[in-house]
Amino acid sequence: EPEVTQTPSHQVTQMGQEVILRCVPISNHLYFYWYRQILGQKVEFLVSFYNNEISEKSEIFDDQFSVERPDGSNFTLKIRSTKLEDSAMYFCASSEAPPPYGYTFGSGTRLTVV
Amino acid sequence: AQTVTQSQPEMSVQEAETVTLSCTYDTSESDYYLFWYKQPPSRQMILVIRQEAYKQQNATENRFSVNFQKAAKSFSLKISDSQLGDAAMYFCAYIANNNDMRFGAGTRLTVKP
Repeated sequence: EPEVTQTPSHQVTQMGQEVILRCVPISNHLYFYWYRQILGQKVEFLVSFYNNEISEKSEIFDDQFSVERPDGSNFTLKIRSTKLEDSAMYFCASSEAPPPYGYTFGSGTRLTVV
Repeated sequence: AQTVTQSQPEMSVQEAETVTLSCTYDTSESDYYLFWYKQPPSRQMILVIRQEAYKQQNATENRFSVNFQKAAKSFSLKISDSQLGDAAMYFCAYIANNNDMRFGAGTRLTVKP
């Protein structure tokens, strides 16, 4: 069964450093998403991406965050200057159809900011 | 506002027994999808089951089934013949015609041998 692949599975970074989280969505999917889950809290929407541009973003997705689909297969989330509170599980997801069709999540990247 | 509520922070079930996890949601939309996701200790989000709001028939996936009550805005998950591997956090989720999937706070399911 097709999967959404995320790398790395766990990343530790120092506060203030830039970090890039990588995702390879399912190949025929056109809609891409990032979500995050701070330990012990709800899963929260960050951003959606379609046709090479952001289609929607949440309040969490401020100027420190950016997304990119550089080569037609990878979908990346960049955090420019990480803060302690960015420590969370970050999930990539993709979908073959627009909302309200559901989507497939990747296995997540655990980001720890120290 | 579109919210998802899971009123049971924790549930436990004896192996081979049946357990039902509750979920309610609030929406003014008529077209939406509902989901149950399982999150084991690895923290991966695994889709368990999906229900389209326009379908009256309750979705079923092997030992997992839902009781979808659209008028009551209720979407419970029933796990039959519970297995040790079912132990996990279970999240109810909702999505309508935007890109923002809303999740409940989760229910931690323990399966006792």
